Amino acid sequence: DIQMTQSPASLSASLGETVTIECRASEDIYNGLAWYQQKPGKSPQLLIYNANSLHTGVPSRFSGSGSGTQYSLKINSLQSEDVASYFCQQYYNYPYTFGAGTKLELK
Amino acid sequence: QVKLLQSGAALVKPGASVKMSCKASGYTFTDYWVSWVKQSHGKSLEWIGEIYPNSGATNFNEKFKGKATLTVDKSTSTAYMELSRLTSEDSAIYYCTRRATRVPVFDYWGQGVMVTVSS
Repeated sequence: DIQMTQSPASLSASLGETVTIECRASEDIYNGLAWYQQKPGKSPQLLIYNANSLHTGVPSRFSGSGSGTQYSLKINSLQSEDVASYFCQQYYNYPYTFGAGTKLELK
Repeated sequence: QVKLLQSGAALVKPGASVKMSCKASGYTFTDYWVSWVKQSHGKSLEWIGEIYPNSGATNFNEKFKGKATLTVDKSTSTAYMELSRLTSEDSAIYYCTRRATRVPVFDYWGQGVMVTVSS
């Protein structure tokens, strides 16, 4: 199985700040990577797919980048509604696997 | 609009089975794979497996083979997952999701079913 290592595990940032979350795959996943946001008590929601494509309706302050085994999610100008956990997921190979998550809080 | 409505929370005894449902609406049920994802308390996500309603074809995470059984009822646009021989390790929230067609990501999620295994 492809292991997804996500960092940091938790993050505290101020409103308006830019934050970056990293995800490393145990092998090349050829941009088969998605990012999900999960707000407390809610189901995860798709943010980004194909490493850098924004899902419909997702604010443009979210962006994804990377290739090979290294990927990142950037949130520009942090808003209060961005407080959530974020998960990466590879879909290059079965079984689909997720990172352990990053919990983003406001400072 | 697309909706996935899951059944309610379940409290089950160790060794028993539980069957949960996921009723789809707002799209053609038979055109999209339905995946199931496990989230243990406060932890990350695990993909269990998926089923294609049109044919009944399935793919599973090896870890959940023998544990999870996936079925569908096309007449009611409902997917089901049954978990057998339950232990405390199976206590978790279980989500059904719709897998997008062009890219195998989960573009819609149900609200989740909390399963608690306890005597």
